[in-house]
Amino acid sequence: DAGVTQSPTHLIKTRGQQVTLRCSPKSGHDTVSWYQQALGQGPQFIFQYYEEEERQRGNFPDRFSGHQFPNYSSELNVNALLLGDSALYLCASSFIATNEKLFFGSGTQLSVL
Amino acid sequence: ILNVEQSPQSLHVQEGDSTNFTCSFPSSNFYALHWYRWETAKSPEALFVMTLNGDEKKKGRISATLNTKEGYSYLYIKGSQPEDSATYLCAFYGQNFVFGPGTRLSVLP
Repeated sequence: DAGVTQSPTHLIKTRGQQVTLRCSPKSGHDTVSWYQQALGQGPQFIFQYYEEEERQRGNFPDRFSGHQFPNYSSELNVNALLLGDSALYLCASSFIATNEKLFFGSGTQLSVL
Repeated sequence: ILNVEQSPQSLHVQEGDSTNFTCSFPSSNFYALHWYRWETAKSPEALFVMTLNGDEKKKGRISATLNTKEGYSYLYIKGSQPEDSATYLCAFYGQNFVFGPGTRLSVLP
């Protein structure tokens, strides 16, 4: 039973570029959430996808967008990258948009130069 | 903006010591409080999901309590082992998850 998988593991971009991060949820899970974890902070909620729609959104600008596919996998897109977007991006999956425990991927480390 | 705090930020204990840390969260619009353990180079893993005031959960040497009226949860580790070294995150669930900054525990052999 595959857990949550994320790709790529590491990424280096320059300011102004665009990036796409990918996540496959744990088998049987239909809800995917994305988190940004900056150094010294806890994971910050970006948004949650369920039934291919964005259900909830945290305090992130419109440069952050996402998508969920019919197979429940998800993408996080960030446009016009800023230096401050450098962080670890975590994907978490769960079953239905509830308060059940989250299963996390290993994350994508994004560095913006 | 909801604020979830954890203390201490970090601590070092000797193998065999017992320790505890605190998570403080808003006492309104509460649905659940989660604890996660995050070992270096791994993914965060769920320890406990707590929903009711007065809840106590236990998993081996680790236990947690919940007070929703005053907005805090304690995580206890009895007889710490080096493999307990990790960052412990709590997450408040109201409308969505709000994570605390974590407590980094180092257990010295």
